Amino acid sequence: DTAVSQTPKYLVTQMGNDKSIKCEQNLGHDTMYWYKQDSKKFLKIMFSYNNKELIINETVPNRFSPKSPDKAHLNLHINSLELGDSAVYFCASSQVWTSPPDTQYFGPGTRLTVL
Amino acid sequence: EDKVVQSPLSLVVHEGDTVTLNCSYEVTNFRSLLWYKQEKKAPTFLFMLTSSGIEKKSGRLSSILDKKELFSILNITATQTGDSAIYLCVLSGGSNYKLTFGKGTLLTVNP
Repeated sequence: DTAVSQTPKYLVTQMGNDKSIKCEQNLGHDTMYWYKQDSKKFLKIMFSYNNKELIINETVPNRFSPKSPDKAHLNLHINSLELGDSAVYFCASSQVWTSPPDTQYFGPGTRLTVL
Repeated sequence: EDKVVQSPLSLVVHEGDTVTLNCSYEVTNFRSLLWYKQEKKAPTFLFMLTSSGIEKKSGRLSSILDKKELFSILNITATQTGDSAIYLCVLSGGSNYKLTFGKGTLLTVNP
């Protein structure tokens, strides 16, 4: 029944480790996004994929690498984790090319804590 | 550079009050303006506005867009404690559906 799901929900890890967060949507949407929400609750877009192609790539360290194996999945891999990477990461999806074009549906978020 | 400015940044009211949240913006190639409510979990979609002067309503919430003056307002009437949340104004524009987020308004409704 879940529209946009993320795993894991919580992730606690040491500095320097490599970790992945997975996202899946069952809405049949063409576009998926990754957002980072910092400690001040400010939501900032990181990446957007449309039909498995990268269309938005904001200023994000290249330690972050999104991977979209198919339209329904957009995973986020993070190398060499740093303390500043601690945040909540949200995945979202939308059917950009139809009406309404910009409605986005969010996953529940993944709280990443880097120790 | 696209910009979204929300005001106030925080607001404390009592149950039953009416509140107005403001969002002003600057954007090239405006597509739409969206409002989200964020509580402890992920943001939930409230409204999408594309045309000036047309009010959107959902229960006690309503929103309107002014594309000439470049702002939008979100009204909440007869506020309840469950309305306590961060309200995000998001702008969609540019050539590749880029979303620009405001910093949000933290609304606290006290009983």
